[in-house]
Amino acid sequence: DSGVTQTPKHLITATGQRVTLRCSPRSGDLSVYWYQQSLDQGLQFLIHYYNGEERAKGNILERFSAQQFPDLHSELNLSSLELGDSALYFCASSAGGLAGYNEQFFGPGTRLTVL
Amino acid sequence: AQSVTQPDIHITVSEGASLELRCNYSYGATPYLFWYVQSPGQGLQLLLKYFSGDTLVQGIKGFEAEFKRSQSSFNLRKPSVHWSDAAEYFCAVGHMDSNYQLIWGAGTKLIIKP
Repeated sequence: DSGVTQTPKHLITATGQRVTLRCSPRSGDLSVYWYQQSLDQGLQFLIHYYNGEERAKGNILERFSAQQFPDLHSELNLSSLELGDSALYFCASSAGGLAGYNEQFFGPGTRLTVL
Repeated sequence: AQSVTQPDIHITVSEGASLELRCNYSYGATPYLFWYVQSPGQGLQLLLKYFSGDTLVQGIKGFEAEFKRSQSSFNLRKPSVHWSDAAEYFCAVGHMDSNYQLIWGAGTKLIIKP
C-alpha cells in the first residue's frame, strides 16, 4: 500500500459527460501528479501540482483540468468525454516539488470507461 | 528533444534465468534515473534510483541497475527471475533540461515462462 488513495476505482460513463476523479496523497506529501495510461498511448504525464500551485503540464487536453485543494487532495476533471478518453488514470504523490528528483508513490488508479 | 528509450516492448524469460531490461536516454549531462515496476492491475512502484556515486545501484526485489555514462544507459538486471516478476517495467529520467519533470519510457512487459 503506497498510502495514495484514489476514488472511484471504476467509472463508467457516456460520451459527452463530465467526471471527477479524486486523489488523496500520502500524508505529508506536497506534490500530486496525474497520469493517463492507455494501451495505445502508454503512460502519459498530465499535470503536476505542488502545494496548491500548478507546477508543470504535460499532455493534458483542454477538456481536462485539475486542482489541488488546501488539504492537498487533488481532483482531475474530465469533460466532454470521448471514447478515446477510456483509460486508467493514476495519481502519484511525492514529498518535494521536483518531479525528477523525488520518488513518486502511485495510487491504485481509476479505470474510466466511456461508452 | 530529450527522450527515454526502452527498445524492447516485450521480453520473455524462463523462470530462474537472468534478466536485463534496457533503457537509454538522450541527455547531455547525468540525469536522475529511475526504474518503476507495475504489476498487473496495480499502480507503479519504485524499484531503484540513481542520482550520483556508485554506478551500480541495488533496489528492491533483488533488482539492480548499472549507469553507464558512455552509453547513456541505465539497464535493469536480475540474476534469477521468479514468476512473480511478471510485470511491466518503466524507466524514467529527470533532468534540468526538462525542468526536472520525469520523462518516461514506453515500458517493457516481462513475461515469465514456467
